[in-house]
Parts: sequence; structure tokens; C-alpha cells
Amino acid sequence: DADVTQTPRNRITKTGKRIMLECSQTKGHDRMYWYRQDPGLGLRLIYYSFDVKDINKGEISDGYSVSRQAQAKFSLSLESAIPNQTALYFCATSEKGNYNEQFFGPGTRLTVL
Amino acid sequence: RKEVEQDPGPFNVPEGATVAFNCTYSNSASQSFFWYRQDCRKEPKLLMSVYSSGNEDGRFTAQLNRASQYISLLIRDSKLSDSATYLCVVRAAGNKLTFGGGTRVLVKP
Repeated sequence: DADVTQTPRNRITKTGKRIMLECSQTKGHDRMYWYRQDPGLGLRLIYYSFDVKDINKGEISDGYSVSRQAQAKFSLSLESAIPNQTALYFCATSEKGNYNEQFFGPGTRLTVL
Repeated sequence: RKEVEQDPGPFNVPEGATVAFNCTYSNSASQSFFWYRQDCRKEPKLLMSVYSSGNEDGRFTAQLNRASQYISLLIRDSKLSDSATYLCVVRAAGNKLTFGGGTRVLVKP
């Protein structure tokens, strides 16, 4: 069983639509992250959370919002999707005090038309 | 200038050969360094950490050069299964990781 799961795995939507991407983990980790990956640009951090109700902006948070209502769940929302938000989105987790390794979900491929 | 830069490749490597590639980072206060591996359309996974004295894990050797601000990864006796994108990852203060764009390696028979 996957430790970090993401839903949906693929999504095609239209400009202006509201989209929510879900991430769940069974690793018991406190810390969760949302990244986007674009070809040649590497992974860029959107938001991260060190605990329930704790929310921090990453380097590219504009146009996104997140919610961390439970330790195991971290959701990412695009309030009004635009085409340049087309990307591969990854959720990741890490253990408190362990700065070395993040565990990634399988990714969500989002296309905004 | 990107914080973490990598040659995107691809590095085309005959099976059994050795391949090496570098990654440069711009933040001199960077504290920890890693190589992650990402297979096509899959999630990144930690390959190995990079220590100041250099370290090996089987056929993989990682080196850190703080003076010149780069890290390297060398793969010996390349296998077809080594074909992947290798992500250079750097941590400055705190728990946030900065990822390079990746170096693609293709091992061919």
C-alpha cells in the first residue's frame, strides 16, 4: 500500500474552474508539502505545513491555497485555474526532526485548457 | 541565476560504462546535500545524501566541493535500470529543500 496517496492522478479542466487536489498519508509524519514540477525547472515549493492548522507559503504560492485539517491530509486548491498552472503536482511528507528525506506521492498531472 | 543548476542532459551511457555529472548551488550557507532519483512520470525518491568527505553506496559515489559550491554523482558499471533523471537537492537553513532541474541519464545496451 502506498504511504502517500494523491487524488486525482490526472485531471483536465478549463480556465476559471476551481480545482482541489487531495493528499493523504499513512506515515504518521507531521510535515507535509505541495510542489509543482515543470520541465527543466525542477520541483518548486508551493505551500508547506509543519502541523495541523500550520500553513506556510513557499516560493510560488500565488494562485493557490491549502488546507491542513488533519495530520494525515493536506489539500491544495486552485481557486480559478489558468493555463500556466498546467503541471505535475507532488505532495510530500517528512518526519519532524528529520531534515534529510521527503517522501513523495505519485503525483497529479493537471492540465488547464 | 537558479539556486541549484544541473546539466539537463541526456547523458547517453553504454551499459557497463561510468558516468559522472555535477550540480552547482549558489547559496554558500547551504547545509545539506542530496541526490534524488526520478523515474519517468514517477515521484522522486532519495538516492543518497552527500557528505563532506564524500561517500559511496554500491556503484554510486557522491562528492561535495564546498569551496567551488558543487556536488557530483558518479555511477560505475551502469545498468539499464539506472536510466532515470537525477535531481540535485540542497537544504539551506530550515527544512525546505531546493531542487535542481535534473540530469537525465539513458543507459543503452
